[in-house]
Amino acid sequence: EPEVTQTPSHQVTQMGQEVILRCVPISNHLYFYWYRQILGQKVEFLVSFYNNEISEKSEIFDDQFSVERPDGSNFTLKIRSTKLEDSAMYFCASSELADNEQFFGPGTRLTVL
Amino acid sequence: RKEVEQDPGPFNVPEGATVAFNCTYSNSASQSFFWYRQDCRKEPKLLMSVYSSGNEDGRFTAQLNRASQYISLLIRDSKLSDSATYLCVVTPAAYTGGFKTIFGAGTRLFVKA
Repeated sequence: EPEVTQTPSHQVTQMGQEVILRCVPISNHLYFYWYRQILGQKVEFLVSFYNNEISEKSEIFDDQFSVERPDGSNFTLKIRSTKLEDSAMYFCASSELADNEQFFGPGTRLTVL
Repeated sequence: RKEVEQDPGPFNVPEGATVAFNCTYSNSASQSFFWYRQDCRKEPKLLMSVYSSGNEDGRFTAQLNRASQYISLLIRDSKLSDSATYLCVVTPAAYTGGFKTIFGAGTRLFVKA
């Protein structure tokens, strides 16, 4: 069964450093998403991506964040100059159509020290 | 009013019990509705989509009431393995141009032997 994969599973970084979180969505899916979940809190939408551009972003997704689909399979989230409050689980998801169910990757746990 | 609101619980029920969760949403133009389950420190996994006509999958039944803007999930004959957090998920109408998915904070369920 096809699945969304994410790497790394855990990333530890120093405050102020840049991190890139990687995702491989399901191959025939056209819509891609990033979410974050701070420990003990709800899943929060960050950004959706379609046709090689951002289709929607939340107020959390400020200039510190960027997304890219550098090739036909990978989908990345870059966080510049990480802050302590960026520590969270980051989930990538993909869907075949815009209002279809989304399938989530296992997440990357980001720890900013 | 929160965009998607759920009773956080926890619901503590014995095995074999029937339990129901409700979720309300604020955007009347919302298009698609889903229930996901999330186990501790894991990714959300799709439980079922919710249609206007209602739908059933084994022990699980989901209902949508557009007039009152709520969705429900009924779990019959609860199993220990049903213990998880149940997430109500709402996506906007695609014609709004964005695909911002909103998660509820989740309802925790504990099924006891």
